[in-house]
Amino acid sequence: SAVISQKPSRDICQRGTSLTIQCQVDSQVTMMFWYRQQPGQSLTLIATANQGSEATYESGFVIDKFPISRPNLTFSTLTVSNMSPEDSSIYLCSARTPIDEQFFGPGTRLTVL
Amino acid sequence: TQLLEQSPQFLSIQEGENLTVYCNSSSVFSSLQWYRQEPGEGPVLLVTVVTGGEVKKLKRLTFQFGDARKDSSLHITAAQPGDTGLYLCAVDSSYKLIFGSGTRLLVRP
Repeated sequence: SAVISQKPSRDICQRGTSLTIQCQVDSQVTMMFWYRQQPGQSLTLIATANQGSEATYESGFVIDKFPISRPNLTFSTLTVSNMSPEDSSIYLCSARTPIDEQFFGPGTRLTVL
Repeated sequence: TQLLEQSPQFLSIQEGENLTVYCNSSSVFSSLQWYRQEPGEGPVLLVTVVTGGEVKKLKRLTFQFGDARKDSSLHITAAQPGDTGLYLCAVDSSYKLIFGSGTRLLVRP
């Protein structure tokens, strides 16, 4: 299994600023992902975080708005840039183990004023 | 359009009642997963179904994969307040987990 922690757990930010969310996994994983969950809704995949190279973004998400890093196998960051109130969501980190089990972090609750 | 449509979107029932949640698609899948998410936490895997017609039981929860592997259901018997949460079906698409629209369940004591 894998235990995933995220920092911060929540934040309130002003529009136009940026926030970087950190994700740490306690064991080596093959793949890491970032999801967004808007209030009362399901999870939407933002991107796959690739170790040592650019992330792979899903339709509707772009690198300029959501830059992602993954410097090693167990750590990734997601930045939400130039925030607006529409970016208020829960952002979840996820990781897949070598035996194809997928685990999720507790999420970062972001409110943009 | 959503790849996986879940119904109902929201369900509020009394403790002890039974309920069924559905997950439907027009696509065929090699497997399907069910997750439960509680407030302030990430989704947690409940079960994976892989064979058409397969039925899996997890205590009071019964999961079924449709014969054509396009749909699935989750049945809860004698629901308890601890079953409250967001239930999500999900499928693997090119090593990416894609979630259904979700069913929010509230079990009132």
